[in-house]
Amino acid sequence: AQSVTQPDIHITVSEGASLELRCNYSYGATPYLFWYVQSPGQGLQLLLKYFSGDTLVQGIKGFEAEFKRSQSSFNLRKPSVHWSDAAEYFCAVAPREASKIIFGSGTRLSIRP
Amino acid sequence: DAGVTQSPTHLIKTRGQQVTLRCSPKSGHDTVSWYQQALGQGPQFIFQYYEEEERQRGNFPDRFSGHQFPNYSSELNVNALLLGDSALYLCASSLDRADEKLFFGSGTQLSVL
Repeated sequence: AQSVTQPDIHITVSEGASLELRCNYSYGATPYLFWYVQSPGQGLQLLLKYFSGDTLVQGIKGFEAEFKRSQSSFNLRKPSVHWSDAAEYFCAVAPREASKIIFGSGTRLSIRP
Repeated sequence: DAGVTQSPTHLIKTRGQQVTLRCSPKSGHDTVSWYQQALGQGPQFIFQYYEEEERQRGNFPDRFSGHQFPNYSSELNVNALLLGDSALYLCASSLDRADEKLFFGSGTQLSVL
């Protein structure tokens, strides 16, 4: 079955510290991979996506993610977080042929001043 | 350029009632997808409309139906509301079926009492 697992429900990091959010997926083939961010009362904003090619993907707001096929992982990283990064982060996958996106349950990021 | 707009922003209904949610896609987009996001969960795919036809459907009962109009706007209808239908309903639009990048609206918060 196709699924996305985000093992960390809630993470708190200090402002200026580095961040890594974990994501593992289960899929029959290499899917399209995404990270979205959702601020309270807002819709989802795409941070970055991976379809093929270089396994290190750069996104907006200083985020990057690395695709590791052997580990079925697509972890999100940021070298130095800002207070404005506090939000809910969703990892997601989609099949190549269709647009149905399967989301993980999300990781809530809090920033410690 | 307006993004994806949804109305209403909030809605309160009682069990057994019917509800209609509306979505206007981003200018130039012809495909509309609907997602249900329960509290503390990731969004779940309900269905997608393209060229006024339901093209793909997730694991939702027939109580959930939709429509796409010639101007590409869309409605989501839910009949015989249950308490468990309380959720944030997100609309997303995209340019065409091969474009996996979705633009999300801010959602309609539905509360069923």
